[in-house]
Parts: sequence; C-alpha cells; structure tokens
Amino acid sequence: DVKVTQSSRYLVKRTGEKVFLECVQDMDHENMFWYRQDPGLGLRLIYFSYDVKMKEKGDIPEGYSVSREKKERFSLILESASTNQTSMYLCASSPPSYSPLHFGNGTRLTVT
Amino acid sequence: GDSVTQMEGPVTLSEEAFLTINCTYTATGYPSLFWYVQYPGEGLQLLLKATKADDKGSNKGFEATYRKETTSFHLEKGSVQVSDSAVYFCALGFSGGYNKLIFGAGTRLAVHP
Repeated sequence: DVKVTQSSRYLVKRTGEKVFLECVQDMDHENMFWYRQDPGLGLRLIYFSYDVKMKEKGDIPEGYSVSREKKERFSLILESASTNQTSMYLCASSPPSYSPLHFGNGTRLTVT
Repeated sequence: GDSVTQMEGPVTLSEEAFLTINCTYTATGYPSLFWYVQYPGEGLQLLLKATKADDKGSNKGFEATYRKETTSFHLEKGSVQVSDSAVYFCALGFSGGYNKLIFGAGTRLAVHP
C-alpha cells in the first residue's frame, strides 16, 4: 500500500514564525501536492511538483513556498506564519499517469 | 474557470436510508470526475471515478453516473450504514494535467443507528 506520511498531526506556531511542513511518500511517485482544507471551501491547491526540484503554483500560493530536493519528500514552507494560515494541510502523491491521488492524514496547523 | 459545486451538509440519515449527494461541475473540455471520502482523522481516499460521459463509477455500494447533459455526478447509495459517516468530496481533473484535481467544498454525512 502507498503510504504518505506527514511529519506532524498537530502544530501550533506563533505569528511571524517560519514553519516547515514535511511530507514523505514511499512509492516513488513523480507528482506531489500540497492542499489546504477549510470548512465550506473544500480543498484548495497550494503548490505541486512533478519532479525533483520542479514546482508549480496552485490556486493559492501566496504566503507559501515549497521544496523538493528528493523525490520522496515535499516540504511546504510558511515564510512568516499568519493567523489566516490556520488550517488543515494535506499532502498527496501520485504517479505521472492518470491515477488516484494518495493522501496523508493531514497536519492541523494553528497560528496564534 | 473550472469548478465543482456540492450540496451543503450536513446530511443526516438513519441507517438503511437512501443517500444522494448532489454534485455539479463547470469545465472547459472533458474532465474525469471523482468522489473521494474522508473518514474522521484520516486523509482522503478515492471512492469511485468516471472518465467519460455516461460512465458509471461504483464501489462499496456507492454509485455515480457521469451526466454530460446536466454536468452532474451525483453520489448515491441504496442503504447507508453508520460506518459510511464521513465527508464526501466531488472532484474533477483532466488527463495530462499532472493529476491536479479541483475539489468541491465537501458534504458531511452522519448516519445514525
């Protein structure tokens, strides 16, 4: 079974802090994604990557950056956390062919 | 732009009731359509999909038919169980688009014994 592991289940950070959310997948998938999930808004794509060192902006990239130095790891970075970034963050991966996304269990981030 | 609209929840049903969760979409081109399910404390997992008009996706007793004429992909189940309580997301995507999906807002289903 594909496993997508997000390093933290819950995270509490202060406004202005630099925050790293880590995601690791064990199936050699080319594509990796970061979504945020908010009530009434569903999932919105922040960034995705289709190869090592390659990244593309999603629908809501402002205030975020990403890093993909190794194929299995995709990091989401909040350069200066703000309260409006309090949310559930979901990482996903998939092969390049058209197939289902595999999601991690999410990181619930609270910025105070 | 492309979008997905789902019926607002929560949907509350008794066990063995019939379930319908409405989903409509707006898209340029011919997307594939998906239903994902999120159980409490977990990430999303694919429930079913349909890749072209009139296709029916089915899994675990759930069904959805890709209706191009009404741009809809409604999820149905004939007899729900307490274990079906979850949040259901409708989504669309295009082949060749790096598997980027556009999700609806999600519909929470609560099934009571």
